[in-house]
Amino acid sequence: RKEVEQDPGPFNVPEGATVAFNCTYSNSASQSFFWYRQDCRKEPKLLMSVYSSGNEDGRFTAQLNRASQYISLLIRDSKLSDSATYLCVVGGGSYIPTFGRGTSLIVHP
Amino acid sequence: DVKVTQSSRYLVKRTGEKVFLECVQDMDHENMFWYRQDPGLGLRLIYFSYDVKMKEKGDIPEGYSVSREKKERFSLILESASTNQTSMYLCASSDRGQRNEQFFGPGTRLTVL
Repeated sequence: RKEVEQDPGPFNVPEGATVAFNCTYSNSASQSFFWYRQDCRKEPKLLMSVYSSGNEDGRFTAQLNRASQYISLLIRDSKLSDSATYLCVVGGGSYIPTFGRGTSLIVHP
Repeated sequence: DVKVTQSSRYLVKRTGEKVFLECVQDMDHENMFWYRQDPGLGLRLIYFSYDVKMKEKGDIPEGYSVSREKKERFSLILESASTNQTSMYLCASSDRGQRNEQFFGPGTRLTVL
């Protein structure tokens, strides 16, 4: 399995800001892509899948760029409750997805 | 609602003890995983299983073994606990489809003294 790289942050932003994270992956054969959210001392939970055409869920938008081998997560109008670690996950044809180490987001008043 | 449960949230053991961590999923998933998570190191795969009685080593299997006798249950065994196995242990499951979406249990925070 190949690497998945994320900027660990922390990204420190005020409420209402727009923030974006990128994640690069090295295995060009990767077929599935996800963003997970992990709150402090909790388990990771799926935030959203990332499709080739991109997808949006409320304030969250995920994009996939296969040519440059990265996925992105955009959060608009940040809320205090968005503070968490965001994990990039890339899956190939095997059973095992590869996790990035996560990007920490802190939204302050 | 999908559910992955782990036998303990917190566990304290002594060096040299044999430790069992249990994980149960109710989603009829074929794949099950054991990870440990340490600050700055992210999630590291210990073992996974893609079917009953099948298991494969992950990135850090040393000092661990696993058992999958039933589809819904995947056990992690620390044969002789050591202090460097103090960590958060997370179990996950997924179906056999290519999407690989994983569902996690709440984690077991293990301290080895």
